Amino acid sequence: GNSVTQMEGPVTLSEEAFLTINCTYTATGYPSLFWYVQYPGEGLQLLLKATKADDKGSNKGFEATYRKETTSFHLEKGSVQVSDSAVYFCALSDLNGGATNKLIFGTGTLLAVQP
Amino acid sequence: GAGVSQSPSNKVTEKGKDVELRCDPISGHTALYWYRQSLGQGLEFLIYFQGNSAPDKSGLPSDRFSAERTGGSVSTLTIQRTQQEDSAVYLCASSPAPYEQYFGPGTRLTVT
Repeated sequence: GNSVTQMEGPVTLSEEAFLTINCTYTATGYPSLFWYVQYPGEGLQLLLKATKADDKGSNKGFEATYRKETTSFHLEKGSVQVSDSAVYFCALSDLNGGATNKLIFGTGTLLAVQP
Repeated sequence: GAGVSQSPSNKVTEKGKDVELRCDPISGHTALYWYRQSLGQGLEFLIYFQGNSAPDKSGLPSDRFSAERTGGSVSTLTIQRTQQEDSAVYLCASSPAPYEQYFGPGTRLTVT
């Protein structure tokens, strides 16, 4: 079945460091890919998305490129801030064949940015 | 505009009691989802409603769980005879389109 694998956390970085959080997926069909973020004490927020191969999603300085050849959707940011500290979830949905479009999530990666 | 709202935000109940969790989706969103977030299982899909179609209940963990959506808007998730393993954060999401889901703040359920 469909699944998402993302790197284990926690990831601890200093402010202004470069961030990469790896995400790979297994899916039949042509899934859409997402990154969601959960700030402390808050709900899940959509950070960015990509709906087809080679699409690049971007928001708030974060980017991720949908790589079909490597089945990956790695999240990157050039210079993290303390306010980026949160849990990041990679997810996929698969509309192929009229599926439910439920999201399948990775386990989440905790990012802690220190001043 | 208003986002997805859920109530209550926290619920503590005794094992064996029934609970009802409510979700108010964003106005105009035709699709509604329930998920569960727990330490052991991560984020899991529970049930999906789309317009007047039959719901997809494939994620419900047992027959103690049920959900309904009245008038294509508000949804209620009911858990009967709660067990300690039901303790989790229950998340509702709504969607206007095939791709983007907008999540509510969740209901934290604790079964003692």
